[in-house]
Amino acid sequence: GAVVSQHPSWVICKSGTSVKIECRSLDFQATTMFWYRQFPKQSLMLMATSNEGSKATYEQGVEKDKFLINHASLTLSTLTVTSAHPEDSSFYICSATYRDSNNSPLHFGNGTRLTVT
Amino acid sequence: AQSVAQPEDQVNVAEGNPLTVKCTYSVSGNPYLFWYVQYPNRGLQFLLKYITGDNLVKGSYGFEAEFNKSQTSFHLKKPSALVSDSALYFCAVRGTGRRALTFGSGTRLQVQP
Repeated sequence: GAVVSQHPSWVICKSGTSVKIECRSLDFQATTMFWYRQFPKQSLMLMATSNEGSKATYEQGVEKDKFLINHASLTLSTLTVTSAHPEDSSFYICSATYRDSNNSPLHFGNGTRLTVT
Repeated sequence: AQSVAQPEDQVNVAEGNPLTVKCTYSVSGNPYLFWYVQYPNRGLQFLLKYITGDNLVKGSYGFEAEFNKSQTSFHLKKPSALVSDSALYFCAVRGTGRRALTFGSGTRLQVQP
């Protein structure tokens, strides 16, 4: 149980285009999803917290107009990288928790490797 | 603010030997502590968590972790390492009132046959 599916697993796009990444909780309802970014050989940095039916909460330094997050249902959150640039190339990972409790672990998708050329 | 420190970038151990991956944390209130493992180009897999109760927590794949409140540590351990344990390990903490996890910098575990 507690499977999180992320799609696509990798994407290559040209500078200036937009890319959408989907994160789905397959067998549970996730009121909250989290989007992380991971640079090579570095840790995961929280980008934003996505709440179903409301606006996402972005971490300091993350451009909300650059990284659009939509959490339209209890099983789907999307991250759109708008007007992508090479510096946006990274590994993006979503996560979700199936209990609205601080002691429940996060379950992660397999990540999306974005390469902007 | 909450933070996690993993002082070792890499840990090397021979197969069959015990392993320890170190983690210390800083958080307001009671800590909720987690260990995750990441294989190349994959997301994170949950290994174990400490919420309350026994300081020694047992998790997946034979891993365990020991919570030490006075040292604010949560070291990951395994009595006998396998080559297949070679991966990147992350310690994470969640403090009271914050639902997102804060991760350490990660420790690469290399188990030699």
